[in-house]
Amino acid sequence: AQKVTQAQTEISVVEKEDVTLDCVYETRDTTYYLFWYKQPPSGELVFLIRRNSFDEQNEISGRYSWNFQKSTSSFNFTITASQVVDSAVYFCAPTLGYNDMRFGAGTRLTVKP
Amino acid sequence: ETGVTQTPRHLVMGMTNKKSLKCEQHLGHNAMYWYKQSAKKPLELMFVYSLEERVENNSVPSRFSPECPNSSHLFLHLHTLQPEDSALYLCASSQAPPPAGGYGYTFGSGTRLTVV
Repeated sequence: AQKVTQAQTEISVVEKEDVTLDCVYETRDTTYYLFWYKQPPSGELVFLIRRNSFDEQNEISGRYSWNFQKSTSSFNFTITASQVVDSAVYFCAPTLGYNDMRFGAGTRLTVKP
Repeated sequence: ETGVTQTPRHLVMGMTNKKSLKCEQHLGHNAMYWYKQSAKKPLELMFVYSLEERVENNSVPSRFSPECPNSSHLFLHLHTLQPEDSALYLCASSQAPPPAGGYGYTFGSGTRLTVV
């Protein structure tokens, strides 16, 4: 079955700590895309990053970085020096199959001051 | 106005009521989606529209009826709902449905629906 797993349901850290959110997926596809979204308390999902399956180069954007390992079907997300404003639910979402962006269950991150 | 706008933000309805959720996008996107987000469950894809034609219906009960009159508007008509239908309903749009181009989705803020 094609699916995505975010094993960490909730994570709590203290401000300025680094935190990594895990994402593992299963797919039969050779070409696919991977996304991360952030859902703050307001409810709207905010796009963070898109990667395609041919590009395994890790990416850094400010305090955010992503580690894509095709061999292990993982696409992990790290926040460096976390801030209270990073508190949200984070979703990993690979496109698995036609018309199917499959969302993980999400990881609720709480950053305490 | 830009982005994806959903109205109303909150809705309380009885099981015998008929109501509609509205979604509007001004991004020039050709695909629109309805997702259901229940407590402690993954986001569930309900409907996909591409160029105003429904291309996906993930076995959603008939008490949910989508309508896409044009590429900028999407409705979800609700009738005789059950309490378990209470959830956050999210609308999204993209330039094209996956996997074409791997376009990301732009989401609205959702409608928090409570069925009593």
